[in-house]
Amino acid sequence: GAVVSQHPSWVICKSGTSVKIECRSLDFQATTMFWYRQFPKQSLMLMATSNEGSKATYEQGVEKDKFLINHASLTLSTLTVTSAHPEDSSFYICSASEGFSFNEQFFGPGTRLTVL
Amino acid sequence: DAKTTQPNSMESNEEEPVHLPCNHSTISGTDYIHWYRQLPSQGPEYVIHGLTSNVNNRMASLAIAEDRKSSTLILHRATLRDAAVYYCILGGTSYGKLTFGQGTILTVHP
Repeated sequence: GAVVSQHPSWVICKSGTSVKIECRSLDFQATTMFWYRQFPKQSLMLMATSNEGSKATYEQGVEKDKFLINHASLTLSTLTVTSAHPEDSSFYICSASEGFSFNEQFFGPGTRLTVL
Repeated sequence: DAKTTQPNSMESNEEEPVHLPCNHSTISGTDYIHWYRQLPSQGPEYVIHGLTSNVNNRMASLAIAEDRKSSTLILHRATLRDAAVYYCILGGTSYGKLTFGQGTILTVHP
């Protein structure tokens, strides 16, 4: 099956720093990529949808200036958490799909961010 | 987006069948029914999806009610590796966006 990777798998940073998380589709071209956040014992919350070459569409309540998403190619999307604070500590998960309408989403393994 | 209702948790014994229910009474005619599962500290994994007819794949079966207001994910022989949170999601909206609910925590006993 299709594989999506994320890097890094975990990161610890100091408050106020920025952290970049990469999401790559390894064996297919991802027309659309999604970014989710998951707090402990909670469900996944969609943060934004990105299409290659376009600006990301953010869900209501997600600060676009804080969570910068770039989908520069059909195999790579990045999420940058700017000026991270302890409340940004979470499990960040990306997913990718090949088409614009419904298609199976392939999820990455997630990135655990801890902000001290 | 139409919502789904799932039991918070279910338990099963190894090698027994498991039926995971999902209610979606406000489903629209174009909504697909998706099932994903998530093991601890991992990203979700696709299980199965369907629109109107029952579906089978190597992982599971999906039984969809005739009025499409409910569905059941069937694991034919549960294994310890099937212990996970199972999410029933309605999708098919723009760009395939999925809205995750709380899901059902499946515990499998040896």
